[in-house]
Amino acid sequence: AQKVTQAQTEISVVEKEDVTLDCVYETRDTTYYLFWYKQPPSGELVFLIRRNSFDEQNEISGRYSWNFQKSTSSFNFTITASQVVDSAVYFCALSEKGTGANNLFFGTGTRLTVIP
Amino acid sequence: EPEVTQTPSHQVTQMGQEVILRCVPISNHLYFYWYRQILGQKVEFLVSFYNNEISEKSEIFDDQFSVERPDGSNFTLKIRSTKLEDSAMYFCASSKELVDTQYFGPGTRLTVL
Repeated sequence: AQKVTQAQTEISVVEKEDVTLDCVYETRDTTYYLFWYKQPPSGELVFLIRRNSFDEQNEISGRYSWNFQKSTSSFNFTITASQVVDSAVYFCALSEKGTGANNLFFGTGTRLTVIP
Repeated sequence: EPEVTQTPSHQVTQMGQEVILRCVPISNHLYFYWYRQILGQKVEFLVSFYNNEISEKSEIFDDQFSVERPDGSNFTLKIRSTKLEDSAMYFCASSKELVDTQYFGPGTRLTVL
């Protein structure tokens, strides 16, 4: 079974629109960590945010915001007033503390295209 | 800001050849990782390394693969006899502590012909 599901394969928005990227995770651990990474066309993986399972407080960082809901096992990512530079593949990832390791389970990614 | 570096950025090799991918993790980090991303697919965990030994490895990390920290700064991934299906982007990552954010290098694109 997939530990991290990103159902949206590709999304296109027009510049300045808001867009939400969905992430649903699955784990039996009570302690776990969720991440979002950005992969721009240049290919590197850029860390955006880390959230632990005990902290359900939503977070805002500039135009980015994250909505963590344990009740629905979701960790969604919203970009407000999107810009062309936001065009990238965005990966949600999960790390389970119970395994004693820290390997990340990635979702399949959502390719966001922002049209000028 | 400290960052993970990887060399080379692109490696082309013939099937059956050995390749070594190199990484320099962030200097005060203790945990090191290799991940693989086949073109257009998700990023997959290969191996984690701590205190000069493998902590965990995935099913992908078979006997063809090995990792080493030959000195105080480098962390390498060796593929002994490359196959066509090893063609992928290989990412190195490091973290300061076990349960901590992993920072990724820019990746090495391996092409096996």
